[in-house]
Parts: sequence; C-alpha cells; structure tokens
Amino acid sequence: QKEVEQNSGPLSVPEGAIASLNCTYSDRGSQSFFWYRQYSGKSPELIMSIYSNGDKEDGRFTAQLNKASQYVSLLIRDSQPSDSATYLCAVNRNNDMRFGAGTRLTVKP
Amino acid sequence: NAGVMQNPRHLVRRRGQEARLRCSPVKGHSHVYWYRQLPEEGLKFMVYLQKENIIDESGMPKERFSAEFPKEGPSILRIQQVVRGDSAAYFCASSPRQGSTNEKLFFGSGTQLSVL
Repeated sequence: QKEVEQNSGPLSVPEGAIASLNCTYSDRGSQSFFWYRQYSGKSPELIMSIYSNGDKEDGRFTAQLNKASQYVSLLIRDSQPSDSATYLCAVNRNNDMRFGAGTRLTVKP
Repeated sequence: NAGVMQNPRHLVRRRGQEARLRCSPVKGHSHVYWYRQLPEEGLKFMVYLQKENIIDESGMPKERFSAEFPKEGPSILRIQQVVRGDSAAYFCASSPRQGSTNEKLFFGSGTQLSVL
C-alpha cells in the first residue's frame, strides 16, 4: 500500500467549473497535510495546508481533511486555464514529508 | 531572503561517472529533503537530513547513492557510477525549526540529471 495515494488523472474540467482532487494516506499518525501545485518543468509550490479535521478555505481553494477516513481533498472553484497543473498531496509526520504521485488537472477554456 | 538554491540546474554525465548535486537551504533552515521525479510522475522521497545527521534514508537506493548535510556548506546528493536509469529531476526542499510538524517545505528549482 502506498503511503500517499492520488488518482493520477488526467482530470479535465471546463473553465468555471469546480475541480475536485482527492488523496488518501496510510499512516494514522500523520499530523499535517499539504497541497502543492507543480507546473510542467517547475518546482512544486505550496497552495494549501490543513492540520485539523474539517474545511479550510483560501480564495478559490478549499482543503478538506477527515482523519478518521485518512482522506484529504482539494476543491478549486471557478477553475481557470491557469490552474492546469499537477497537484501533489503531501503528508507530514514528525517532519518526515511524503508526497503522492500527483493528479494532473486540465482546465479547458 | 534567498530561497532554496540548487546547482547545477542541468547536469550531463556519461555512464559510470559520478554526479554531485548541491542544495543550499533557506538561511536558518536545518532540515533538508531530497526527492526524485521522473517525467509525468510524482515526487519520490529519497532522504531526509538534519545538520550532520541522516534522519531517514529509506527512499534512497542502498548502492551508489549517498547524501550529506554538513555543519557548514550545502547538502550534497552523490550518485556514483551513474546509469541511464538515474536520469531524472532531483529536487531539494528545506524546512525550519526542529520539532515542528506544521512546517511547509520550500523547494529549490531542481537539478535535471541526464545520463548519456
């Protein structure tokens, strides 16, 4: 079982729609959770972090965490073509950060 | 306030040569992580280091690969006797304070290693 699992995609949504990205993790002791965005040929950049159960909103982005189900998700509202990228879920325990393989999102104009 | 600096940006080696990848973390950061990424794939954890200590090297091949983060100077990822399968992007990331589980990672621009 992989430590952090994501659907590799590609996930394609029309401009203006909601994009939903999902992630599950295997380590119940995981303490903090992150979503990174990576454009092709570039380094990952942090877009959201979440540490406790529930929802966290930041602009068009909402992260959701359910520790009982070991599940993290990212919703992108009003998707834009510039959101087209690979989204990496990351899980941290005791400063040991592990990443999923990423979900490739394409937003079509 | 410089970010994570990796060099070289691109490194070309012939099979059997050694590759040395350097990473200078954000000033004041004491944790360094190395990840490897193949085209169209996610980040694969290799090694996690603190100053002068290897904390977790479970993602690093037992042979030919080594990493260090000395008290002074950059972190080095060394690959000896490179093979074509080592061709990948190698990303370094750093984070600050020890003991904090909520710290995000700051990534360098990566080193693209090409083995001919």
